[in-house]
Amino acid sequence: QVQLQQWGAGLLKPSETLSLTCGVNGGSFSSHYWTWMRQPPGKGLEWIGEINIGGSSNYNPSLKSRVTMSLDPSKNQFSLKLTSLTAADTAAYYCTMTPAGSGWFASWGQGTLVTVSS
Amino acid sequence: DIVMTQSPDSLAVSLGERATFNCKSSQSLLYSSNNKNYLAWYQQKPGQPPKLLIYWSSVRESGVPDRFSGSGSETDFTLTISSLQAADVAVYFCQQYYTTPFTFGPGTKVDIK
Repeated sequence: QVQLQQWGAGLLKPSETLSLTCGVNGGSFSSHYWTWMRQPPGKGLEWIGEINIGGSSNYNPSLKSRVTMSLDPSKNQFSLKLTSLTAADTAAYYCTMTPAGSGWFASWGQGTLVTVSS
Repeated sequence: DIVMTQSPDSLAVSLGERATFNCKSSQSLLYSSNNKNYLAWYQQKPGQPPKLLIYWSSVRESGVPDRFSGSGSETDFTLTISSLQAADVAVYFCQQYYTTPFTFGPGTKVDIK
């Protein structure tokens, strides 16, 4: 059973960069896709993008110009950076695991509420 | 992008009764080469991350009670809770993984009547 634990700053100012990291326990880090999701307060879920150990990444076109994902296999961690923040980026951000060959999100981090406010 | 819609927005069901809600996609999620529907369902309780319930439109994730069942094909899908329990109060989302960007429906909120 894969367990995810995420961390990062929760209060940011407009134009700043969001930086979140997710640690992976259990399972095979090399076998899956590692994904970030977000959910504005009281609203639905938005897929931000995914990355795997082969270096393949795939981002939501709506965010692609501002998103960078990376992973550190030596630490079993993966990270998200989102630049040029605005209030519209205020949301709970989740890291998730997508089993290889699938497209569903089988394991989730606890979530980080990121608030963008001056 | 594939647009997912869900109905109703919310419903209230008595304990022990059946709850049924729907999900529609703007294009078919059935992949002809493997005859599988690329549709998943999640349950989200307040203050918690979503939890995977069903994938391939009808396959229950390990550990999910068998009162949860999924059905449907192509563009129309249904999640059924056969006998509603208090622990099932939550918002339920459908998600397509036929193509990126993966997209979710807006959710159906289930409450006890």
